[in-house]
Amino acid sequence: QVQLQESGPGLVKPSETLSLTCTVSGGSTSSYYWSWIRQPPGKGLEWIGHIYYRGSTNYNPSLKSRVTISVDTSKNQFSLKVNSVTAADTAVYYCARVLPGSSGYYPYFDYWGQGTLVTVSS
Amino acid sequence: DIQMTQSPSSLSASVGDRVTITCRASQYISTYLAWFQQKPGKAPRSLIYAASSLQSGVPSNFSGSGSGTDFTLTISSLQPEDFATYYCQQYHTYPWTFGQGTKVEIK
Repeated sequence: QVQLQESGPGLVKPSETLSLTCTVSGGSTSSYYWSWIRQPPGKGLEWIGHIYYRGSTNYNPSLKSRVTISVDTSKNQFSLKVNSVTAADTAVYYCARVLPGSSGYYPYFDYWGQGTLVTVSS
Repeated sequence: DIQMTQSPSSLSASVGDRVTITCRASQYISTYLAWFQQKPGKAPRSLIYAASSLQSGVPSNFSGSGSGTDFTLTISSLQPEDFATYYCQQYHTYPWTFGQGTKVEIK
């Protein structure tokens, strides 16, 4: 069974950088896509972006200028950085595995991590 | 961005009821539509991909249908563990987008 676990600071100051890591067990980051999604308290889900294990990325344009997703296959981890955070970045951040579609296109989510709350406040 | 609109936003139902949730995309998305279940304080759980394919381990009382712009999630016989919020998500076009959610509550 594939398991994903987010880790990182729960409190970040405004204008600083939010950094999270997702550790994968029961599977390898040397295949598939790996994604980050967030959910502000009491609100819906927002896709942040994903990375293919070979390093190519897709980001949500609403965040693209501030976001970097990277993968470290040697540690079986992938990471998220969000620069210049504000209170609007306060959310539960989820990591998830993304499987390629049957044709190799149109990848879709399967396993999700439990999520971690990040609060942006001074 | 493609807008995903779910209806209703919430519903009340009893154990054993048949429940249907609809999801409409603002543009054509073929069958690149997924459904998720989320319980309070928990991560979303993937239920369905490709509009109608069940993820591994998902009970057969869940089913999905639709193509193009209109989709449905059906729970054939609501169980106590099915009370949750359900989200649809399109993965046809970047950025991927989610519906606003449908909360299924106990009547």
